[in-house]
Amino acid sequence: GAGVSQSPRYKVAKRGQDVALRCDPISGHVSLFWYQQALGQGPEFLTYFQNEAQLDKSGLPSDRFFAERPEGSVSTLKIQRTQQEDSAVYLCASSLSSSGGETQYFGPGTRLLVL
Amino acid sequence: GENVEQHPSTLSVQEGDSAVIKCTYSDSASNYFPWYKQELGKGPQLIIDIRSNVGEKKDQRIAVTLNKTAKHFSLHITETQPEDSAVYFCAASPGDQFYFGTGTSLTVIP
Repeated sequence: GAGVSQSPRYKVAKRGQDVALRCDPISGHVSLFWYQQALGQGPEFLTYFQNEAQLDKSGLPSDRFFAERPEGSVSTLKIQRTQQEDSAVYLCASSLSSSGGETQYFGPGTRLLVL
Repeated sequence: GENVEQHPSTLSVQEGDSAVIKCTYSDSASNYFPWYKQELGKGPQLIIDIRSNVGEKKDQRIAVTLNKTAKHFSLHITETQPEDSAVYFCAASPGDQFYFGTGTSLTVIP
């Protein structure tokens, strides 16, 4: 079946531009996660949704980062006034239920380069 | 919060040999430990996982062991093949989010 999809796969932005990254989770998955992966590092947690509710946004690095999932399905991660340090791969993952310790399925990621 | 350390950062083995990757974690509340394989340009793919009520789990050539007392867990790949070459990440989860290690780049030499 269809896995987690993300778009765009690649994004080049000039410093100061706003960007929007989209995630389509596996159909029926309740939980959705965003991670940031710097080059040569493991993914780092950004934020987490259970249906449309954003339950944890403790990993968002600044108030320039904003995520939403208005209908409990597709999610968008928005970065305002991008900076060079925002360059990374942004990964989206979804899991079937809302209970802890549930397998997370990852999308291919969006590679963001800020010039 | 949770802190996961992973070693080694790079590992080269001859085809057919075994590979072992080790991780430690700090939060005793962590109860779920997945391992992911990430190939270049792709997202992480789950290869095996273990929960805190189990000490060992095996799936064909891949096995994971967990020592809750020492707070460490390991990935074992036997009879390695060139297609096993990738970056492997361990993770620990005390709740909903995952805390990842820094990755091990495995190269299997034909």
